[in-house]
Amino acid sequence: DTGVSQDPRHKITKRGQNVTFRCDPISEHNRLYWYRQTLGQGPEFLTYFQNEAQLEKSRLLSDRFSAERPKGSFSTLEIQRTEQGDSAMYLCASSLNHMNTEAFFGQGTRLTVV
Amino acid sequence: DAKTTQPTSMDCAEGRAANLPCNHSTISGNEYVYWYRQIHSQGPQYIIHGLKNNETNEMASLIITEDRKSSTLILPHATLRDTAVYYCIVRVGVLGTYKYIFGTGTRLKVLA
Repeated sequence: DTGVSQDPRHKITKRGQNVTFRCDPISEHNRLYWYRQTLGQGPEFLTYFQNEAQLEKSRLLSDRFSAERPKGSFSTLEIQRTEQGDSAMYLCASSLNHMNTEAFFGQGTRLTVV
Repeated sequence: DAKTTQPTSMDCAEGRAANLPCNHSTISGNEYVYWYRQIHSQGPQYIIHGLKNNETNEMASLIITEDRKSSTLILPHATLRDTAVYYCIVRVGVLGTYKYIFGTGTRLKVLA
């Protein structure tokens, strides 16, 4: 499978715990995006990378959230001291940095904070 | 904020064409229109995109008005598996800063 891969698919954690999600983009894609989606809403932009550089962070990305893409390949999204409001689907997407191109999304990681 | 507005929901009979409208009146000259769909609990699936010309692929056709202020996604022969939320997106930014900003989409229900 050469699509965008996310791991884990589901995560249940207790409030206050830290969690980390991984995204493996399509291999030649140099742009990588993170989104969050809550029930009944469209995906909300969180942040994106161009290779290993994090170029923009949404105001939704509080200081408890951190994303990395250390070698310009896979990326991780960490949430520290999780809160119930963090419960959501976390989506990763990747694309080439071309004008006429599209982004491909992974299947997401569904986080439930109890 | 999303630059598109779509109807909240639509129904379509199986086998008929589904025409999903989208308004993007504030679109800039170099901003592309994208369509994605999302089936329950899955990641968004890319459908099609375009700048100013009409586009067609194996999944759908995209009709963009001449003034680029609106577009229509056409699923030529809708099946039950096309039941999903369809998002019309204007990709914002310039080369190197592109972002896909989603709205709330259109919930399409294909009826048997």
